[in-house]
Amino acid sequence: AQTVTQSQPEMSVQEAETVTLSCTYDTSENNYYLFWYKQPPSRQMILVIRQEAYKQQNATENRFSVNFQKAAKSFSLKISDSQLGDTAMYFCAFMKWTGNQFYFGTGTSLTVIP
Amino acid sequence: EPEVTQTPSHQVTQMGQEVILRCVPISNHLYFYWYRQILGQKVEFLVSFYNNEISEKSEIFDDQFSVERPDGSNFTLKIRSTKLEDSAMYFCASSEAEIRYSTHYGYTFGSGTRLTVV
Repeated sequence: AQTVTQSQPEMSVQEAETVTLSCTYDTSENNYYLFWYKQPPSRQMILVIRQEAYKQQNATENRFSVNFQKAAKSFSLKISDSQLGDTAMYFCAFMKWTGNQFYFGTGTSLTVIP
Repeated sequence: EPEVTQTPSHQVTQMGQEVILRCVPISNHLYFYWYRQILGQKVEFLVSFYNNEISEKSEIFDDQFSVERPDGSNFTLKIRSTKLEDSAMYFCASSEAEIRYSTHYGYTFGSGTRLTVV
């Protein structure tokens, strides 16, 4: 079975600062995908970033980057130059290589303080 | 930017009543999904649907639940006899292909329907 753990229920960061959200997962699969999704107050879940487990290079998307440690089964999200629009719930998610089903963590509520 | 549209945004129903949640996936997408999120808990997979049949379902998706694509554009989730514990946010999603073949990075989710069973 796959499990995803987000140990930080709530976090806050000053505008323009950097924040790191933690995620760990457990799986016996060797290849898989990891994702970070953002859920703003509008409720729609929006993809932030995706990482394929076979890739050693950490994924980056503008101000968002991940630190993927496969051996440690860790997948943290770093948000640089935080903006007010980054305020949202952030979900870490796992998907098997041959699957279509997400396994989500419980989420981290991030507040960016002006 | 194409969107997945869900209606209604909030539905209140009496326990024991049937409810249908509606979703309009992105038009060229072929895979459709339902997830639910009970308040304060994680988002959980319910079912995936492809080529007019269920391709995968979770333990949550029991005989009380069914899905249908009645007209080529809508994708519905029916709960036959609602229970109090069915109260949750229900998210529909779609994707153009399985993730490993997808040129898009992931699913596109709708904004959800909040179902309250009283």
